This record gives sequence, structure tokens and C-alpha cells, in this order.
Amino acid sequence: AQSVTQLDSQVPVFEEAPVELRCNYSSSVSVYLFWYVQYPNQGLQLLLKYLSGSTLVKGINGFEAEFNKSQTSFHLRKPSVHISDTAEYFCAFLSLGGGADGLTFGKGTHLIIQP
Amino acid sequence: EPEVTQTPSHQVTQMGQEVILRCVPISNHLYFYWYRQILGQKVEFLVSFYNNEISEKSEIFDDQFSVERPDGSNFTLKIRSTKLEDSAMYFCASGWTGVTDTQYFGPGTRLTVL
Repeated sequence: AQSVTQLDSQVPVFEEAPVELRCNYSSSVSVYLFWYVQYPNQGLQLLLKYLSGSTLVKGINGFEAEFNKSQTSFHLRKPSVHISDTAEYFCAFLSLGGGADGLTFGKGTHLIIQP
Repeated sequence: EPEVTQTPSHQVTQMGQEVILRCVPISNHLYFYWYRQILGQKVEFLVSFYNNEISEKSEIFDDQFSVERPDGSNFTLKIRSTKLEDSAMYFCASGWTGVTDTQYFGPGTRLTVL
């Protein structure tokens, strides 16, 4: 079955420290990969996406992610976090050739930035 | 910056009642989507809509659900006879092109079925 696993439901980090949010996917076909962020009382906003090409993808707000096909992972990283990064982060993928254009999401990781 | 809007933000209904959740996608977008998130669970794809018809739908999207774009600006999700398990946050999204394009999400409607 196709799925996305975000191993950490909650990640507390001190301000200005680096962070990595983990994402692994399972799919029998090639995928496009996405990270979305949800700030309180707002919709999901795209952080970055991997479609093809360089496996290191840079997004908004200083975030980046690296696609690792052999490990079926797409971990999100930021070298130095700010209080404003406190939010829910969702990893998602889109299967290619499966005929479905709906995103498959993980359960989300709540990033908590501590001063 | 244009954004997707959804109304109401919170809807409470009795089991068996019909509900209509409304969305105004970003102007000029051509692809429209509904997702839902049951509390504590994953965001799940329900349906996509393009060119005035359903493009894809998931197993969740059974005969109790329907979608419509009644007037060229609104995009609605109707649940004919709500069940307790329909309680969830419902997100609308829109995109300019399909598949590889970014899907822009609304803030969601929280549906509570009593």
C-alpha cells in the first residue's frame, strides 16, 4: 500500500538550533514529493517540492529537503529555526502513472520552537 | 496574494442531515480538490474536479458525497446524510494545472456531526 510515514508527531527545538523532520514514503511507482506547512488557523502552504533533477530542493523560509530514492526518504531540514517556524509540517507525495492526482499525506509533525 | 477561502469555518449538524461546505478557489485556477482530516489522523484525498467533472475520487468519496461548481467561482462539497464518522476538518484546494502544480489550500471547515 502507498503511504507516507512521519515518524515524529512532535519535535521540540531551541531557537536558532538546526532541525530535521523525517519523512519516509512507500510507493510501487515513481512519485513527486512535497512538504506543506500549516500555521495555526490557516490552510496548508507549500514549502517545497521535488519533481525531478537535483535531489536537494530548496524552499521558502530557509527550508530544504533531500530526496533519497534508495532510502525512500524526503527529510526536511533547516539550519537555524525561529519562533515563527512553530507550525504543523506535512510530508506528501503524488504517484506518477497511477491515475490519481490527489496527494497522499503523512500524519504531520508539530514543530515546537522553544526560546 | 490570492488565497482559497472556505465557509463556514465551523459547522455543527445532526446525524442524517445534509451539509454543504463551500469554497472559493483562486481565480483562474482550473483544478479543484477536497481533502479531509479526521482528528489525529492523516489528511486524506477525497476528490479532484476539472472541466466541470470529477477527475479522480478516493474510496472515501462514496454516493453520500457530491461536488459542484455552480457558478464559476464557488466549489461545493455536499454530504447527503451525515454520519458521526464524517466529523473532520475539510480542506479545499485549487491549482492552475494538475499533477505537478502546487495545490493551494484553504483554511478548512471543521464539521462536527452530533
